[in-house]
Amino acid sequence: SQQGEEDPQALSIQEGENATMNCSYKTSINNLQWYRQNSGRGLVHLILIRSNEREKHSGRLRVTLDTSKKSSSLLITASRAADTASYFCATDGSNYKLTFGKGTLLTVNP
Amino acid sequence: DAGVIQSPRHEVTEMGQEVTLRCKPISGHNSLFWYRQTMMRGLELLIYFNNNVPIDDSGMPEDRFSAKMPNASFSTLKIQPSEPRDSAVYFCASSLGSQDTQYFGPGTRLTVL
Repeated sequence: SQQGEEDPQALSIQEGENATMNCSYKTSINNLQWYRQNSGRGLVHLILIRSNEREKHSGRLRVTLDTSKKSSSLLITASRAADTASYFCATDGSNYKLTFGKGTLLTVNP
Repeated sequence: DAGVIQSPRHEVTEMGQEVTLRCKPISGHNSLFWYRQTMMRGLELLIYFNNNVPIDDSGMPEDRFSAKMPNASFSTLKIQPSEPRDSAVYFCASSLGSQDTQYFGPGTRLTVL
């Protein structure tokens, strides 16, 4: 069963706008990771947030984690056309491996 | 480091044929993962190895699929016999530990006619 579920499934915005994607999960975690996948390519790790952290920044990315709600959000500020990709959250759960959600397809229109 | 290397990048074969996909993980990584990605089912974990030992193969769809990791620098995923429904992109990924950041290869796009 899916551990992480991203929301929305698809998001279309204009260049310069902010994009927010959400991830909900079911079981307790040690950390949560976000990955990006450009069309036809493998997934690329973006950021990892540990269960004892509430917020983390990396460049134009901001990730929040609310363990009480079992949810995380990924914010991309000042989006660019090059940010167009699918974004996945991945959680470690209790089964010693990462489980990926189905992803959010982000389209940034120039 | 060259990253995770997969071959071939594209494979087109006919139903019933044997297909072998290859992966070279990043040197020093102890965990290796095989995934399958389709539009319908998303990214599915097929099997993962830790220190060359298969730990969880519950995602392997059926007996037609098998995976090996004879040493720390090489793994194969074999499908025999292949079927059209096996058409997908197959990714290999490696990480230091099973829950650490995973580094994905470019994938093998498999088409079974």
